Formats: sequence, C-alpha cells, structure tokens
Amino acid sequence: DQQVKQNSPSLSVQEGRISILNCDYTNSMFDYFLWYKKYPAEGPTFLISISSIKDKNEDGRFTVFLNKSAKHLSLHIVPSQPGDSAVYFCAASPNFGNEKLTFGTGTRLTIIP
Amino acid sequence: SAVISQKPSRDICQRGTSLTIQCQVDSQVTMMFWYRQQPGQSLTLIATANQGSEATYESGFVIDKFPISRPNLTFSTLTVSNMSPEDSSIYLCSGRGTSSTDTQYFGPGTRLTVL
Repeated sequence: DQQVKQNSPSLSVQEGRISILNCDYTNSMFDYFLWYKKYPAEGPTFLISISSIKDKNEDGRFTVFLNKSAKHLSLHIVPSQPGDSAVYFCAASPNFGNEKLTFGTGTRLTIIP
Repeated sequence: SAVISQKPSRDICQRGTSLTIQCQVDSQVTMMFWYRQQPGQSLTLIATANQGSEATYESGFVIDKFPISRPNLTFSTLTVSNMSPEDSSIYLCSGRGTSSTDTQYFGPGTRLTVL
C-alpha cells in the first residue's frame, strides 16, 4: 500500500519556466512533509519542508503548498534552472520530529535549456 | 548540516553470502536510520539504529536478515545476510541532528547487486 504517491514519474520543463511537482498521500496521520532532491550516485538532499499547520512555505525559488483536505502537496520551482534536473521525492512523517519518513516513488525532472 | 559517508559505495555479491555496510556521520546525531531503495521503487525505511541497544525494525524487516549495530553516536553498520537477488538495492543511511526540528541527512548510498 503506497501511502505517498507521485503519479508523474517524469516531467520536462523549459528553462526559466515554472516546474510543478505533485504528491498525494493517504494517511491522515501524516503531519510533516518534506521534499528531497536526488542526483545520480548521491543520497537525497533535503530541499524544503512544511508542517500541517501551514499551507505554504517558501525558500528562494522553491515553494511547497499543502492542501490537507485534499491530502495533496506540490513543489513549485520558479524559475527552473538546468541544475534542477534531478529526481524529486516527497516524503511524509507522522510527527514534527521528522522520524520514520515515508517516501513517494519520485519524479524525474528534466530542465530543457 | 551533517555529512554522512558510507562504505562500500557499491558491491557485487554472490547468493548466500553476507555484506556489511558502514555508515559514518561527521557530527553527533540523535537518530540514525537505514533505508532501502529497490530498483524503480521509493525509499523504504528498514530500521532505526539505536545507540547501544537493538535496532527498531519496520514491518517486513527482521533482525536475522538485517542485523544493525550502532556502537556510538556517529557510526552504524547494516548487514545484509544470506543474500538473494531480491536484495539487490541501494541501501542508504541517514541521520537526524540533536534537535527535533533538524532534518534527516542522507549518505550517498551503497549499490548492492546480488548474483
């Protein structure tokens, strides 16, 4: 049972445009959500997070939106840059202590120069 | 942020053998975790490595198959025992800092292929 789902395995976006990556979850006990970026042969790198008490968190070019009623979150990257090409994982945790992360299957983002 | 290293980075092993993966963190972390990423799959938590005591395993993972040690705050090992081709995966360790608001940092992973 996949509790965190990323339904788009891949996404291609023109450089300079907005990239939107989506994530859905089924477990209402999840309280804290994170996005990680992963380059080949490297471990996932933390990007941005959001707790369930917020609906938006922004950090530079990255913004995460959370819709608790729809159990949906999205990551917006604007403007997209070639270095953003990577696999993006969303992850969820049942507590703000950031333990026991449940990951989605990832979306491979390709930025086209 | 913590810097996490793993050894080996990759290995090819024969069925029935065991492999021990080492994870070293450059600063003290309160929690360390081991994950597995099977081909085309998401990262799945295997267990929480507890310092000086038995690891806490997630459903579907058992100590006999994946014994874990954590002798101090900055070092842990994961052994994949009696391997089969189904164990071919990337194994990653992660650490979380002393504050509950710290994020989890991941090592680069160990790519294991079992023939």
